Amino acid sequence: NAGVTQTPKFQVLKTGQSMTLQCAQDMNHNSMYWYRQDPGMGLRLIYYSASEGTTDKGEVPNGYNVSRLNKREFSLRLESAAPSQTSVYFCASSGRQGVNYGYTFGSGTRLTVV
Amino acid sequence: SQQGEEDPQALSIQEGENATMNCSYKTSINNLQWYRQNSGRGLVHLILIRSNEREKHSGRLRVTLDTSKKSSSLLITASRAADTASYFCATDARGGSEKLVFGKGTKLTVNP
Repeated sequence: NAGVTQTPKFQVLKTGQSMTLQCAQDMNHNSMYWYRQDPGMGLRLIYYSASEGTTDKGEVPNGYNVSRLNKREFSLRLESAAPSQTSVYFCASSGRQGVNYGYTFGSGTRLTVV
Repeated sequence: SQQGEEDPQALSIQEGENATMNCSYKTSINNLQWYRQNSGRGLVHLILIRSNEREKHSGRLRVTLDTSKKSSSLLITASRAADTASYFCATDARGGSEKLVFGKGTKLTVNP
């Protein structure tokens, strides 16, 4: 019953530091997504992976990189963190035809960049 | 940019009352989805309505879709304090898009 697991749950970084947010799903879903949520902005798509081996940019990809390590795992990397990247990050996954089915979300990573 | 926009931004009602939230979107869609987010948690999928459907029910939830007006509504009947959460609509874009675009959400408070 794990669904989508994100680690870590909380992180504080100094400006310029790097880190990787991890996401894993155990539902055999093809598609995986990274969103960020900021107050008053709703959710904005950073990157997504429609299937293993493919990744595509979303609405706000600058400052981020992703890796679809295998079907289960999709990581998000911040190479040089900036205060503007302070946000709550959500990973999600969906079945074969992603947009025709509901997404399953992780519980989020709350990131603060100081 | 957001495809869907929810209205109102915030709604406060008493337990037992009905809550109605609206979503408007800009381009043709294949389907529209509604999600709930409790404070500090991830989003939970509530219901999906396809572009060829006009109304759908799930328990105390009723969703309508009017593609001519590019709008949808979510009705929660006989609300409970546990329904307090933010509600988001999400749309794909007709043409095979593999991703959902979320609105900014309606914050619902149900007072006991």
